[in-house]
Amino acid sequence: LAKTTQPISMDSYEGQEVNITCSHNNIATNDYITWYQQFPSQGPRFIIQGYKTKVTNEVASLFIPADRKSSTLSLPRVSLSDTAVYYCLVGDPVPGGSTLGRLYFGRGTQLTVWP
Amino acid sequence: DVKVTQSSRYLVKRTGEKVFLECVQDMDHENMFWYRQDPGLGLRLIYFSYDVKMKEKGDIPEGYSVSREKKERFSLILESASTNQTSMYLCASSLLGGGQYNSPLHFGNGTRLTVT
Repeated sequence: LAKTTQPISMDSYEGQEVNITCSHNNIATNDYITWYQQFPSQGPRFIIQGYKTKVTNEVASLFIPADRKSSTLSLPRVSLSDTAVYYCLVGDPVPGGSTLGRLYFGRGTQLTVWP
Repeated sequence: DVKVTQSSRYLVKRTGEKVFLECVQDMDHENMFWYRQDPGLGLRLIYFSYDVKMKEKGDIPEGYSVSREKKERFSLILESASTNQTSMYLCASSLLGGGQYNSPLHFGNGTRLTVT
């Protein structure tokens, strides 16, 4: 099972840039790295996905080094509404088998943004 | 926008009852999933399905079963509810290719089940 390791919690202030790093040493060749955001009493919501180098959308950027054993989610100029749990996911590299469904969410990172 | 709807937001059942949790998605997604979420444990996969009438066990299938008779509907069944099944249950769907292939999971808002 390809597990990920993230900090349990992080704190920031409004207007700062936040970087959350995720380790995934067993990532498979075909796996993408996906980040989700979850607010209390809601299901997780897709933020961004990437395979290598850098991906940017209107919400965040994702940095992936060449070895792909880690990734960093970057949230520019956070606001109070960015307070949430952030999950990093990669697929499970089961040789010869389907990796569908073998996504490990882990405990995620609780980001708290203060005024 | 994809919509995944779970039939109940809150549910209270007694030990030993048979419980049905229903999930419907409106985007013709092939894949559907049931997770449970508990404090300190994150989301854990119970079952998933990649086609009608097809199902695969996830990481914690014991005490649960599923049914997928139509593409848009995926039901989670607790055959005999127990107190350790008190949890938040989340349904998700995705396009063919799975969550790791540019096919994000779309989640419902969850059903908080309490078994007394």
